Amino acid sequence: NAGVTQTPKFQVLKTGQSMTLQCAQDMNHEYMSWYRQDPGMGLRLIHYSVGAGITDQGEVPNGYNVSRSTTEDFPLRLLSAAPSQTSVYFCASRGQHNQPQHFGDGTRLSIL
Amino acid sequence: GQQVMQIPQYQHVQEGEDFTTYCNSSTTLSNIQWYKQRPGGHPVFLIQLVKSGEVKKQKRLTFQFGEAKKNSSLHITATQTTDVGTYFCAAGNQFYFGTGTSLTVIP
Repeated sequence: NAGVTQTPKFQVLKTGQSMTLQCAQDMNHEYMSWYRQDPGMGLRLIHYSVGAGITDQGEVPNGYNVSRSTTEDFPLRLLSAAPSQTSVYFCASRGQHNQPQHFGDGTRLSIL
Repeated sequence: GQQVMQIPQYQHVQEGEDFTTYCNSSTTLSNIQWYKQRPGGHPVFLIQLVKSGEVKKQKRLTFQFGEAKKNSSLHITATQTTDVGTYFCAAGNQFYFGTGTSLTVIP
């Protein structure tokens, strides 16, 4: 059982570069979300989706785009990387609105 | 926005001591979930509480949901080094998490 798969696991970027963090789940979950985790800040919601074709902003959406063209995939795009976006990024999914979330292993992103 | 506040932010205990973290909301919650994140790992679901006043136990862990469904607690009896990590609460039908309590257990 793959669950939630995030790629890459590690990435180093230069300021101004763009990239896409991939997230895929094989549990047919409707709900997916992206979080960033910084020391002492907990898990902060970036964007979320309640189904294919539907996305919405969380607490810290600036500088990030998402799309949900299929149920399985929920990529996160950094448009122009900034050092403030250095963080650990987690993708999560769940079947229904009140069910537990399943997390991927995370992507550790450094921006120089 | 974020519905739940969590205290304390950090806790250091001697191995064998008890530990409690609290989660508080200004609004009534339909349910609450607890997660544990080991250092370097990802959050893992522990339990969900739904009913007013509900108490659930998992070995040395006791979870409570307040009568008004606005607060919850996680209590660990006789901590062990394997309990090290950050414990998060989350309003079950939301995407938002509390800020977490980081537990350090000193052998």
